Amino acid sequence: EAQVTQNPRYLITVTGKKLTVTCSQNMNHEYMSWYRQDPGLGLRQIYYSMNVEVTDKGDVPEGYKVSRKEKRNFPLILESPSPNQTSLYFCASSLVQGRDTQYFGPGTRLTVL
Amino acid sequence: GENVEQHPSTLSVQEGDSAVIKCTYSDSASNYFPWYKQELGKRPQLIIDIRSNVGEKKDQRIAVTLNKTAKHFSLHITETQPEDSAVYFCAASREGSSNTGKLIFGQGTTLQVKP
Repeated sequence: EAQVTQNPRYLITVTGKKLTVTCSQNMNHEYMSWYRQDPGLGLRQIYYSMNVEVTDKGDVPEGYKVSRKEKRNFPLILESPSPNQTSLYFCASSLVQGRDTQYFGPGTRLTVL
Repeated sequence: GENVEQHPSTLSVQEGDSAVIKCTYSDSASNYFPWYKQELGKRPQLIIDIRSNVGEKKDQRIAVTLNKTAKHFSLHITETQPEDSAVYFCAASREGSSNTGKLIFGQGTTLQVKP
């Protein structure tokens, strides 16, 4: 089944404790992206990747890191999480950005205390 | 920077009525405009998209119109049904430029269709 998976789905952590949210797609998509969703602010892009080893900042990259060492995986790293990073996070992928449907993962609800 | 404004933030209609959601964008180089629907507790899913070389696109009960001069585009849902109740997001991006990967979303519109 073609899909985008994220883990964990829910996470409660404390300020400053490094964490990684994994994202994987099995559709051989070139493009992957991370978004955060906050009430009243919609979906805001954190980072995106046009292909392996190619990543770029979205609108709200501060406090986040990503890597794209292989096509299927695009982990989101929070080196030192802070309470303002409490949010719902979505990973998404598409064959080619701007010409194809973006498929979203199920979301990761992160709480930073 | 680039910005997409979406209105209204909430919309309540009676079943069978039409619903219209409007978005304006700031980057005149934007040329790809998708719409996503997010049901409660679920992930966003693409419902329709339009590119700048067309002014309108329809798919059954939904349609999107684009006015490049005014930099706005709209989603039209006709004969609304309770299952249309969801949050709808518009978005804008450029193809074929160094910023091709950036996708800017609007703030979302919560549509409620009353039976």
